Amino acid sequence: GENVEQHPSTLSVQEGDSAVIKCTYSDSASNYFPWYKQELGKRPQLIIDIRSNVGEKKDQRIAVTLNKTAKHFSLHITETQPEDSAVYFCAVLIQGAQKLVFGQGTRLTINP
Amino acid sequence: GAGVSQSPSNKVTEKGKDVELRCDPISGHTALYWYRQRLGQGLEFLIYFQGNSAPDKSGLPSDRFSAERTGESVSTLTIQRTQQEDSAVYLCASSLSGGPSYNEQFFGPGTRLTVL
Repeated sequence: GENVEQHPSTLSVQEGDSAVIKCTYSDSASNYFPWYKQELGKRPQLIIDIRSNVGEKKDQRIAVTLNKTAKHFSLHITETQPEDSAVYFCAVLIQGAQKLVFGQGTRLTINP
Repeated sequence: GAGVSQSPSNKVTEKGKDVELRCDPISGHTALYWYRQRLGQGLEFLIYFQGNSAPDKSGLPSDRFSAERTGESVSTLTIQRTQQEDSAVYLCASSLSGGPSYNEQFFGPGTRLTVL
């Protein structure tokens, strides 16, 4: 089955710096890659997603890049702010099965 | 509008007891998912319902776990003879459809299950 690896498991950056989280996957047929943010004690919420027909997508301070050949995609957060502190999960849609396989999560801490 | 709701928010039970968790999806959402999230871990897929199709039960960890959904409404996840390793947050999510055009999943607040 699909295997999703997410790195790093924890990330600490200074406020204002950039943060990058990377995920790799195994099924080359996968074509949808969302990122979820989960604040402490709250539900996961979609923050950005990308489909396989594009290589990059941006939404203000966040962006996702996709390399289908290498089977990896990354979340980029620029000008980080304290409210960016959370656990971030990548996910990959299993083609044909309509279900997501999630990475193990990255705990991002923004230091003031 | 109302989001996905789950009840109870917290459940403490004794080992060996059965528990039933409830999920109310967003109205009109035909797809419904259950996940398990152990402390500090990722989201583990359990089961997926799409309309009146047979559910995808491939993620259920044992035959102690079962889930039902009536039509496109409420779903219940039942865990029989609970074990301490069942302790986790159980999250439900719904989406407009699970068909070829995949749609965003909206998560409920979860039920925190503690098995003593």
